[in-house]
Parts: sequence; structure tokens; C-alpha cells
Amino acid sequence: EVQLVESGGGLVQPGGSLRLSCAASGISVSQTYMTWVRQAPGKGLEWVSMMYSGGRKLYADSVRGRFTISRDNSEDTVYLQMNTLRREDTAVYYCARASYGSGSYFNLYYFDHWGQGTLVTVSS
Amino acid sequence: DIQMTQSPSSLSASVGDRVTITCRAGQSIRDYVNWYQKKPGKAPNLLIFAASTLQSGVPSRFSGSGYGTDFTLTISSLQPEDFATYFCQETYDNLWTFGPGTKVEVQ
Repeated sequence: EVQLVESGGGLVQPGGSLRLSCAASGISVSQTYMTWVRQAPGKGLEWVSMMYSGGRKLYADSVRGRFTISRDNSEDTVYLQMNTLRREDTAVYYCARASYGSGSYFNLYYFDHWGQGTLVTVSS
Repeated sequence: DIQMTQSPSSLSASVGDRVTITCRAGQSIRDYVNWYQKKPGKAPNLLIFAASTLQSGVPSRFSGSGYGTDFTLTISSLQPEDFATYFCQETYDNLWTFGPGTKVEVQ
């Protein structure tokens, strides 16, 4: 059974930093695609970052240059280092596993397992 | 970037009703659309991927259709546990943009 557990959220001042963790069980993070998605209070879902099994990293425009995704294969944990935080980064952050289709849908990704989320509040 | 819109933004329905939610992409995205259910305080739950493929474990009352720019999510007979917000997501480019959501409320 795949389980993802986020941690590391909390209250931080604007301009500050925070590192989120996503501990995985039932999968090997080095062999799968992992992603972060967030939901601001009262808002919709926003994709934040993706890390491919081969190490390629992608970011949303809103966080590129400030956030960094990484992983520890030995711990099966994925991280999201968040620097220069802004009030608009306040959200619940979810990690998820990204699976992909077969055959001609090899590049069709869907997020099929999610953690419970961790709340990040950026406020003075 | 591919823009995703949904309609309606909210709807009121009763248990047993047939519910249809529409999602439109700003350009053709083949059938590269996923649908998620989101309840307050809970993680999103994948319902459908590739526009019409039901995720394992999801009840068969959920179905999806569409190709190109227009997509629909249908709940054939609304159940009490289906009151939630539903999001479509394009998976055509590497930005995985979500629609703004459709909230299904109790009438």
C-alpha cells in the first residue's frame, strides 16, 4: 500500500524559508515521479513542482527560482525547500505520486496517491 | 500555458440526481484530462484519467468523456458522499494546470 506523509509546515515570516518533507512507503521515490500541489485557503489546486525518476525537475512559474524539489533515495523521502516565501505561498501543500499511462499515453501523467497535506502560513 | 475553465462553478443537487460538470481547455489537448474530487480537510482523490478511464476503486457512477477542448464528468446517481468540489486537470504540457473547480452542494 502506498502511503505519503508530509511534514514541515508551519508559520513563517515573509522572506523566510521552510523545508517540507514527504515520507513515502510502499514505493521507491527513486523509481517514480513525485510532485507537489498546493491549495491556498478558499482557492483551487495549483501544481507546484515535479521530480522525475531520472532526476529532471520542473517548477511552476510562481515558484521557480525560490523553491527546490529534491529527494533522499535511502530515506524514500521527497523534499520541497521553499525560500523567499511570500504571503501568497500560504497554502496546504500536498505531495503526490505521479503515474503515467501506457502505450501511446506514455506521457499522460495523473496523480494517483496523495499525502494528507501540511499547512504553510506566511505571515508577519 | 493552457487555460482550463469549468462550469458551473457550483451547483445544488439532491441524492439520486444525475450531475454533469463541464471542463474546457484553451487549446486542443486530445484526451489528456484528469478529474479529481476534493473534500475539505482531505487530500484530492483521483477519479478519472485520460478523460474517460476510471481509476481503480472509484465507483462506476462516475464517468468521463470528451476530446480536444471539451470534457465532461458525470455522476449518474449522486450519493451523499459525493458532495465535494471537483477539479479537472490538463496533463498535456508539463504544467498540469487545474480548472477552478465545481462545488457540488446539497439542494
